Amino acid sequence: QVQLQESGPGLVKPSQTLSLTCTVSGGSVSSGGYNWNWIRQHPGKGLEWIGYIYSSGSTYYNPSLKSRVNISVDASKNQFSLNLNSVTAADTAVYYCARCTIAMAFPNFFEDWGQGTLVTVSS
Amino acid sequence: QSALTQPASVSGSPGQSITISCTGTSSDVGSYKLVSWYQEHPGKAPKLMIYEVTKRPSGVSNRFTGSKSGNTASLTISGLQAEDEANYFCCSYAGSRTYVVFGGGTKVTVL
Repeated sequence: QVQLQESGPGLVKPSQTLSLTCTVSGGSVSSGGYNWNWIRQHPGKGLEWIGYIYSSGSTYYNPSLKSRVNISVDASKNQFSLNLNSVTAADTAVYYCARCTIAMAFPNFFEDWGQGTLVTVSS
Repeated sequence: QSALTQPASVSGSPGQSITISCTGTSSDVGSYKLVSWYQEHPGKAPKLMIYEVTKRPSGVSNRFTGSKSGNTASLTISGLQAEDEANYFCCSYAGSRTYVVFGGGTKVTVL
């Protein structure tokens, strides 16, 4: 079973950049048939998909966040990362990384998730 | 406001069956057989329970059943057990622009 673990600061100041890393073990970010995702959950709310990256470096982001998001991958470290800039209190959420199984170019299901990490945006 | 609508809570006694609904639109649930369900216990990573509307991953109990009718998908848990007490959320592919959408989650309580 592939395991994912989020890491990064739990507190970010408004207007700064939120940076998180997801470390993958038991599998490789270079494996075909998957993409690697960031998803968040605001307190008391449902989940919101942020974006994905393939091992090739190809990305796609939620249109509502696209202007502030960058996802990158480092195959040598078996990690992928999220940068979200110009954060506000509205970005306070639990952030998850997750591996999505792709079938015929469609996202089939999120097979493996990290436990999630709470990021609070506050001065 | 989540894209997919789920009841906030559902409860049942041990041994009973419960059903959790997940209502979307013709742009997501109604158009694709790419609905999945996840179980989440506090502090733990979400676990895949159902994918492609009705399929169970290896290791998931056959007490969990998925279905879909129109724009609404459902997860049924039969023979409810104490260990089933958790938060459950649904997910659907929503087209190439939106990609995926999630439900708000349903808290299942075993009485």
